[in-house]
This record gives sequence, C-alpha cells and structure tokens, in this order.
Amino acid sequence: SAVISQKPSRDICQRGTSLTIQCQVDSQVTMMFWYRQQPGQSLTLIATANQGSEATYESGFVIDKFPISRPNLTFSTLTVSNMSPEDSSIYLCSVETDRPGQPQHFGDGTRLSIL
Amino acid sequence: GENVEQHPSTLSVQEGDSAVIKCTYSDSASNYFPWYKQELGKRPQLIIDIRSNVGEKKDQRIAVTLNKTAKHFSLHITETQPEDSAVYFCAASWRNFNKFYFGSGTKLNVKP
Repeated sequence: SAVISQKPSRDICQRGTSLTIQCQVDSQVTMMFWYRQQPGQSLTLIATANQGSEATYESGFVIDKFPISRPNLTFSTLTVSNMSPEDSSIYLCSVETDRPGQPQHFGDGTRLSIL
Repeated sequence: GENVEQHPSTLSVQEGDSAVIKCTYSDSASNYFPWYKQELGKRPQLIIDIRSNVGEKKDQRIAVTLNKTAKHFSLHITETQPEDSAVYFCAASWRNFNKFYFGSGTKLNVKP
C-alpha cells in the first residue's frame, strides 16, 4: 500500500490564523481525500482533492474555509482558514489506488489545537 | 447522501469471548464496505472489507457479513485478545466508489 506522509503532525494555533497541512504520497494516486476527526468522533469527509481541477466539497464544507490544492498525483494541501476553537480536530489525508473501490489508506493525521 | 449507523458505541468483553459490531446503511447503491481499527493516537487501519457481491468474508479471527436486502453488515471478532481493544469504524462506499461514509465508531474493550 502507498506510504502517506503528513506535515505537520501536530500544531497549536491562535484563533483567526490559518494553517496549511501537507500530504505526500510515495506513488502516484488518482484520488486523494481529506477527512476531519473531531475529538472522540468519527471521520467526516471534507473534500476530494482532484488533480488539475478544483476540489469537490462535501455538504457543510466550503472552499473559503478549507482551500485545497492538488498540483500533481503525489501531493495535496489542505488549509484551515481563519481558525476558531471549533476547528480543533485531527485532519487526515487518505488515498485510493487507481482501481475504483479499493480501500483507502490514511496518513497519520495532523492534530490541530486552536487557542 | 449515504447514512451509516453503527452499534453499539461501546462494547466490553472478556478475553476469549466474541465481539459483534453492527452497521446499517441507507443507500442501496453502496457496494463496498470496509472496516477500520483505530488505536489511540494512531491512524485508522483497514482490517477487512467486503463487496456487495459477497455475503461473508473471513480472515483468521475476523469476519464480516453483509445482508444487502436488509442493508446491514457486521464485524465479528472471535477469541478476542487485549490487543483487539480499539475503536472500530465501519464505512460504506456510495455510488461512485470513491467516497467513504463512516459510522460513528465502536469502542471495544477486551478485559484480560
């Protein structure tokens, strides 16, 4: 399976600032996804990062708050903008292989705390 | 969109006993159902999955069953061990195969 590296692993940020999370994969993948996992909760899909086009956002998530880049088939970034304490979560990147329906594999996540 | 419900939210068993976690889904077009195990502070790890053309799949102590008519699937862990203690998530893949919708999770505690 693909090796997924996320940076930073954790951060503590001030209210109103923005943070960009990076996701690097060791092989080319078609689909990359960003999830949020709030404390003690399940995983919620934020968006699908599409290479060469705008990300596809799930209901409740908007581009202004969570801009995403996907410059190539091995890399994506998620920015959490104008952060508030409610944004304190673990943000996870996941990837899928080229075959539709293959299992997704997750990075270690970025643990974000907003003061 | 897809709605996945998972029960129970917590499950405590004695070492050696079996554990069963159940999930239901709403969209009959869903056709792929993975299960993930997440230990404290770690990433979710795929432990088993099943596709809609199969009714049951087994991998050593772990098995998953799927009832398409009733739209529910279950995870069965036999001969539980303390290292099975973790949070387990079910998921359903909706329509275009790529989007995973997760259940709310089950915290399994295996008492030695």
